[in-house]
Amino acid sequence: SYVLTQPPSVSVAPGLTARIACGGDNIGFKSVQWYQQKPGQAPVLVVFDDSDRPSGIPERFSGSNSGNTATLTISRVEVGDEADYYCHVWDNTSDLPVFGGGTKLTVL
Amino acid sequence: QVQLVQSGAEVKKPGASLRLSCKASGYPFSNYGIAWVRQAPGQGLEGMGWISPNNGNTNYAQKFQGRVTMTTDTSTATAYMELRSLTSDDTAVYYCARERPTAMVTTFLFDYWGQGTLVTVSS
Repeated sequence: SYVLTQPPSVSVAPGLTARIACGGDNIGFKSVQWYQQKPGQAPVLVVFDDSDRPSGIPERFSGSNSGNTATLTISRVEVGDEADYYCHVWDNTSDLPVFGGGTKLTVL
Repeated sequence: QVQLVQSGAEVKKPGASLRLSCKASGYPFSNYGIAWVRQAPGQGLEGMGWISPNNGNTNYAQKFQGRVTMTTDTSTATAYMELRSLTSDDTAVYYCARERPTAMVTTFLFDYWGQGTLVTVSS
């Protein structure tokens, strides 16, 4: 089955840029989504199709995808961005969703 | 506005079954698939499978095959997920989520999520 690998944690100071990586075999050929999940809440879609943002998501959230790594970039990080972030693709072989293990973003 | 409202928390004994509901509103229910995703305490997201309300087609993750059944009632715009032979490993928050095609058309993303249902399995 398809596997997505994320770093368990990323730390960044307010106002700086956070980058969260998601590794997968030839992930550049897949559509990658990113979800933000705050404690006790359901996940929220923040980036879809590698780099698009749903309405209501700040422009500070952006994404890229190439080769074996997709990246979520959060510019001008705010304390309110502290959350778990999950990458997600669809596994064409199993026709099922696959999630990365999640990355806890800490805003120092 | 699109909403998915899930049933309330449940406590089950090992070996029992559970049936969770997910009531959709704000969009044509039959036009979008529903997936079920669970999250064990302190763990990540785990996809369990999906159902297409328009034709009842389902696909379950191998881990749950034989133990899970997903159904929908289009008259009430409600999706259901039944999980049998529960063990403590099934203790988790269970989410339903609406599927939407990605730009690749044959793959899907989750644009709306229910609030989650906490299921505790304990003797």
